[in-house]
Amino acid sequence: GENVEQHPSTLSVQEGDSAVIKCTYSDSASNYFPWYKQELGKRPQLIIDIRSNVGEKKDQRIAVTLNKTAKHFSLHITETQPEDSAVYFCAGVTSGTYKYIFGTGTRLKVLA
Amino acid sequence: DAEITQSPRHKITETGRQVTLACHQTWNHNNMFWYRQDLGHGLRLIHYSYGVQDTNKGEVSDGYSVSRSNTEDLPLTLESAASSQTSVYFCASSQHSGTGELFFGEGSRLTVL
Repeated sequence: GENVEQHPSTLSVQEGDSAVIKCTYSDSASNYFPWYKQELGKRPQLIIDIRSNVGEKKDQRIAVTLNKTAKHFSLHITETQPEDSAVYFCAGVTSGTYKYIFGTGTRLKVLA
Repeated sequence: DAEITQSPRHKITETGRQVTLACHQTWNHNNMFWYRQDLGHGLRLIHYSYGVQDTNKGEVSDGYSVSRSNTEDLPLTLESAASSQTSVYFCASSQHSGTGELFFGEGSRLTVL
């Protein structure tokens, strides 16, 4: 089955700097890669996703890139703000299963 | 508004007791999932269901069971609670087709003493 590894586990950046979180997946049949943000004490919520037929997707300050050959995908946050501080989870979804396998999460701290 | 709700939000129980966590969604989603969240492990899949009468084991299903008698509900039962099952439990649902976005409940914090 699918296995998703996520790095780093914690990341501290200065406000205004960029943050990058990386994930690798094992199942070549995976075709959907969402990213979830979880604020302290809250539920995870989708912030951006990418499908395997696309190499990059942007939404304002956040972007996701996908390298199918290397089986890795990354979340990029530019011009970080204090409200970006949260735990971020990547996930892989194998085609036809609708089953999300999550990475172990990255705690991002944006220092003012 | 359609939503997904979990109950109870907080529960303390003793080792060996049976515990049931409820999950109810009003989106009419076919797919429902239970995850547990632990520090250092992220979100791990316990059980999932693609529709009524369908249930499947996830990565960490030992000691847990689910049943799906209708579209709206997927209760999670711990047959004999163990201290290792102290965790935050999240229920989630998604459509059977479409974007595939997973919608989470607010979570249930379970402490087993």
